[in-house]
Amino acid sequence: DGGITQSPKYLFRKEGQNVTLSCEQNLNHDAMYWYRQDPGQGLRLIYYSQIVNDFQKGDIAEGYSVSREKKESFPLTVTSAQKNPTAFYLCASSIVGQTGSSPLHFGNGTRLTVT
Amino acid sequence: GDSVTQMEGPVTLSEEAFLTINCTYTATGYPSLFWYVQYPGEGLQLLLKATKADDKGSNKGFEATYRKETTSFHLEKGSVQVSDSAVYFCALRGPGGSYIPTFGRGTSLIVHP
Repeated sequence: DGGITQSPKYLFRKEGQNVTLSCEQNLNHDAMYWYRQDPGQGLRLIYYSQIVNDFQKGDIAEGYSVSREKKESFPLTVTSAQKNPTAFYLCASSIVGQTGSSPLHFGNGTRLTVT
Repeated sequence: GDSVTQMEGPVTLSEEAFLTINCTYTATGYPSLFWYVQYPGEGLQLLLKATKADDKGSNKGFEATYRKETTSFHLEKGSVQVSDSAVYFCALRGPGGSYIPTFGRGTSLIVHP
């Protein structure tokens, strides 16, 4: 079955360490996204990419970095510059179409805890 | 810019009650509208969608109608079950190649037996 795989499901890190969250999709989607979810705050867009080797900052990109070297993969690095990194991180993908009618497909998330 | 406003939760209902979760939007042009559901500890899943005015999306007993005149896309279900307890997100996605969706803040639904 096609889908999006995020790993690991739970991640624990010490403050000051960088950490990379994995996101892989086999849906052949061009667009990929990273969201952060905090209790009561809905989804906030971190980075997105429409095509390989190109990505754009979202609303809260500070302290995060991404790469898009392959269509299937869009890893997110949470750097030590991110002041409050503990959160639930969601990766998504979609078809890029002219009508905007394609939904997003989400992974099951990675819960990052930094102490 | 585009925006989506959902009713605040939590919405607490008894099993077999009628559910309405309100969603209104602001957008240029004619966006597609979506409802997603998120169960505890999981990602979001598409519940239903509608792509033009007066379209009705439906799935698993849930329905929502694209109302252009009131810019609304309210989610309804005639008889909720305990297993429907989740967070529901309304979202829109514009036409013309825009690929950045706009999400509401989510509405938590709690269904008691």
